[in-house]
Amino acid sequence: NAGVTQTPKFQVLKTGQSMTLQCAQDMNHEYMSWYRQDPGMGLRLIHYSVGAGITDQGEVPNGYNVSRSTTEDFPLRLLSAAPSQTSVYFCASRRTGTNYGYTFGSGTRLTVV
Amino acid sequence: QQPVQSPQAVILREGEDAVINCSSSKALYSVHWYRQKHGEAPVFLMILLKGGEQKGHEKISASFNEKKQQSSLYLTASQLSYSGTYFCGTEKPGGGADGLTFGKGTHLIIQP
Repeated sequence: NAGVTQTPKFQVLKTGQSMTLQCAQDMNHEYMSWYRQDPGMGLRLIHYSVGAGITDQGEVPNGYNVSRSTTEDFPLRLLSAAPSQTSVYFCASRRTGTNYGYTFGSGTRLTVV
Repeated sequence: QQPVQSPQAVILREGEDAVINCSSSKALYSVHWYRQKHGEAPVFLMILLKGGEQKGHEKISASFNEKKQQSSLYLTASQLSYSGTYFCGTEKPGGGADGLTFGKGTHLIIQP
């Protein structure tokens, strides 16, 4: 049981490049979400999904796309990287129902130069 | 809108107690608490669902005052392992399917 797996752990991009941050969970969790963490800002919600085929925008969705074709996978795509997207990105998942917390992946540290 | 956490930082000696507060201008459905150590992922501590609910986790407990729209995390007889940044996260009504809105965090440093 690996939990939530994020790849890559580190990435450097040039401005304008695109890439996909991978997130996979093996706990059969329906709810998944992406956050970015910047110094002094806490964690901010980018996109979330309540199940396969269903996604929606969070607090800071601009510049990012998501899709959810399976329960296990929830990739985050950066369309045209900008220096403002330099951040640590966390994927998280939880099971349905109340009284459950989120399990976070180990994060991807992204630098855009 | 982000919940507001206070204090922003606190330094304690091992064995001392700490209280971290989380308040919101919006009605709260529930409150999550997480701890994050430097360079690691946030780890779930507990969730409080009802106004007035209190929960405990070893020497860490929390309360949720729905009327005041705030929650407090209590760390008693703190240990070195309690060091880290604590975040509260709030859910909208509906059960948390649409993610959490986190506060900016409280940095807790425990000194021997």
